[in-house]
Order: sequence, then structure tokens, then C-alpha cells
Amino acid sequence: NAGVTQTPKFQVLKTGQSMTLQCAQDMNHEYMSWYRQDPGMGLRLIHYSVGAGITDQGEVPNGYNVSRSTTEDFPLRLLSAAPSQTSVYFCATRGSYSNQPQHFGDGTRLSIL
Amino acid sequence: KQEVTQIPAALSVPEGENLVLNCSFTDSAIYNLQWFRQDPGKGLTSLLLIQSSQREQTSGRLNASLDKSSGRSTLYIAASQPGDSATYLCAVRPGYGGSQGNLIFGKGTKLSVKP
Repeated sequence: NAGVTQTPKFQVLKTGQSMTLQCAQDMNHEYMSWYRQDPGMGLRLIHYSVGAGITDQGEVPNGYNVSRSTTEDFPLRLLSAAPSQTSVYFCATRGSYSNQPQHFGDGTRLSIL
Repeated sequence: KQEVTQIPAALSVPEGENLVLNCSFTDSAIYNLQWFRQDPGKGLTSLLLIQSSQREQTSGRLNASLDKSSGRSTLYIAASQPGDSATYLCAVRPGYGGSQGNLIFGKGTKLSVKP
């Protein structure tokens, strides 16, 4: 049971490049979300989805796009990478009921030069 | 706006000691509160989840309590071991707002248990 799988684990980009961070889950969870974790800032919500075809912005959405064409996948796209987007990115999922915990992937460590 | 604070930011204790990590939040309108563990360079592992109607949850040597009215939660670790060394994160799920399915995190307490 893989749970939440994020790829790649590490990536180095140059300023202005674009890329997609992948997130896949096999728990049939409706809720999926992306967070970034920065030193001294904690985890902050970027975008989230309550089901296939539905996405919305979180606390820090600028510079990122998401789509949710299937229940299983929730990719995060960096449109034009900036050094301020250097961070660790985590994907999370949760079942539909309020008593269910969130499950996190192992993260993608992204450096923008 | 909901804010979550964890004190202390870092804690160092000798092996075998019982310890308490603190978490406070500003708005009592929450669905639940979740404690996570994060090892260096790793993802988040869920430890305990307390529903807003509950007072505490226990798992092995861990016990988490919730006082929603005062906006406080504690994570009690009994008989600490060097393997408990990690960063512990507290997060609340707000009971309102469009992103109510998601979590607001504290900045964590970095625990070091020395042999």
C-alpha cells in the first residue's frame, strides 16, 4: 500500500524554468492538498481539491497551478520558477469524514537557482 | 484568522524523562487537532488525532489532550527514548471557511532525547 507518492524527491531548476511536481494516492481520498515548508514559516497551504474537477486556492497560491482530472492524481505546476519558490513541497490527502487524519507524502525538495 | 503556536521551539531531555509539548490556537472553532512527527529530511507521520468533542487520545507512550475552550493541546511522551528525537508538529483543522478540509500548522517543537 503506497499511500501518497510524490515525485521527484529532489529537483534543481534555473530561474524561469517550469516543472510539474507529481502526487498520486491510492487511498481513494477525495481531499488532496499541497503545502510548502520553509524554515521559520512552518507549513503553508498552496492549493487544495475536494474532488476530481474541483480545485481552490490556499494561503500562498501565486506562481503555482493545479488540476484534478482524476481522484488519484493532483499535480502542482510551477509556471516560471523563482528563487522564492525554493522549498520542500508536501502533498496530503484526507478522507471525506471529519474524524479522518491527513496523510502526507515524503516531500519534494526543490531548489531554484 | 486561526494561528497555532508551539512552545518551546526546541527541547533537550535525558533518556527516560517524561515530557510535555505544548500547542495553542487562537480560535476554538475547530473540527479536530492532529499531532505529527517529522524526522529530518522526511515527511510527516500522523501520531494522534483528537476530535473537537474529545478530551484526549492515547497511543502507546503518547497521550494528547485537548481543551478547546482555552485553545490548548498537549502531547505527553512517557519514558522518552533517543528514537523519539524529531520535530513534533501540531495542526488544527478549522471548522469554518472555504479551505476547511485543510490544516493550519504550528512551527513545531524540535525534540532531542540524549542517551
